[in-house]
Amino acid sequence: QVQLQESGPGLVKPSETLSLTCAVSDFSISSSYYWGWIRQPPGKGLEWIGTIYHSGSTYYNPSLKSRVTFSLDTSKNQFSLRLSSVTAADTAMYYCARQRMTGFNWFDPWGLGTLVTVSS
Amino acid sequence: QSALTQPRSVSGSPGQSVTISCTGTSSDVGGYNYVSWYQHHPGKAPKLMIYDVTQRPSGVPDRFSGSKSGNTASLTISGLQADDEADYYCCSYAGSYNVLFGGGTKLTVL
Repeated sequence: QVQLQESGPGLVKPSETLSLTCAVSDFSISSSYYWGWIRQPPGKGLEWIGTIYHSGSTYYNPSLKSRVTFSLDTSKNQFSLRLSSVTAADTAMYYCARQRMTGFNWFDPWGLGTLVTVSS
Repeated sequence: QSALTQPRSVSGSPGQSVTISCTGTSSDVGGYNYVSWYQHHPGKAPKLMIYDVTQRPSGVPDRFSGSKSGNTASLTISGLQADDEADYYCCSYAGSYNVLFGGGTKLTVL
């Protein structure tokens, strides 16, 4: 059963770069699925950050595109997120999820999420 | 691009039915049959409940159903149970490899 687990620093200073990794178990990230990142600021709704395919193709939320970079490591079966120039507005629970190709909006399963706080 | 519009909260008694709406535009909800719904219990991973507007993944009870009319999608939960109390989010394809989520609806089972 495919499982995803996010990891990374829980505290990032303003203006620095947030880096997270999503480790995938029991399913190859080289399969015909996309892999997505979604976040949820405290008390707010979900926001799609972007999506990556094993070919290296990436698709980003236009509102974050200038600051976000995705990558993947097929040898470790994991993919990563980097968000630069963070501010307090980037404080959120960050989730990774497997994403179906058809329709582009089917996320299943999700990781448990990791809370990232931006503060000095 | 704006988030899809959902009511902040809905409530119902055990055994009753509730419907959660999700309103977008002709560029997202109304333009594609790619709407999904997620159930989120605090502290747990969000769970896919409906995809492609009306389809249920295996393991999701048939008490959960989805529909769409124009630019508004809906999730209906019948035979409410205590465990249905959670936050629910809609999600729609918005074209050009773009995705929008709703602001979320808190379901309270009275």
